[in-house]
Amino acid sequence: GAVVSQHPSRVICKSGTSVKIECRSLDFQATTMFWYRQFPKQSLMLMATSNEGSKATYEQGVEKDKFLINHASLTLSTLTVTSAHPEDSSFYICSPFGDRYNEQFFGPGTRLTVL
Amino acid sequence: DAKTTQPTSMDCAEGRAANLPCNHSTISGNEYVYWYRQIHSQGPQYIIHGLKNNETNEMASLIITEDRKSSTLILPHATLRDTAVYYCIVRRGGSNYKLTFGKGTLLTVNP
Repeated sequence: GAVVSQHPSRVICKSGTSVKIECRSLDFQATTMFWYRQFPKQSLMLMATSNEGSKATYEQGVEKDKFLINHASLTLSTLTVTSAHPEDSSFYICSPFGDRYNEQFFGPGTRLTVL
Repeated sequence: DAKTTQPTSMDCAEGRAANLPCNHSTISGNEYVYWYRQIHSQGPQYIIHGLKNNETNEMASLIITEDRKSSTLILPHATLRDTAVYYCIVRRGGSNYKLTFGKGTLLTVNP
């Protein structure tokens, strides 16, 4: 299957700081990137969808000014959590999609803890 | 996209087949059935998908009923490493590739 990496795998930050999460598709070009988050004991919730070179489309209830998504290249997308607060503590997972595979693959996830 | 219903949890003995059911009675003709699993603290892992024919790969088999209103994922020889939450997802083909996750089934494989 596809090779997807995320960096960092876990991060702890202070309240009010910004955190950037990188997602790379290592063996294919991702024309679309999905970003999910998962709170403890809950299922994955889609946050936003971005197409390479375009602005991201956010799901209802997700603040676009707080969760900045950049998808400037076909192999890299970033999610920046701005002015993070403890309630943003979650597991963030990217899912790139391209035309090489019919299936959708997921990154290993980034565990964010905001103190 | 059609909604799916799965049991909350299931147990299976190591080495035995695990059969995970999924109901998707409102599935429409152009919707596929996808199965993913998520091992604790990892990203979801693709298992298998199908439209109407049964499918098999190195991980599992997918049996879809003739009316396509339900399906069963079969892990032929479950191991302890198969303990995970298994998600059955129905998704349209075409340009909308969004996967909507439900609560899934927690499969626990016991020694």
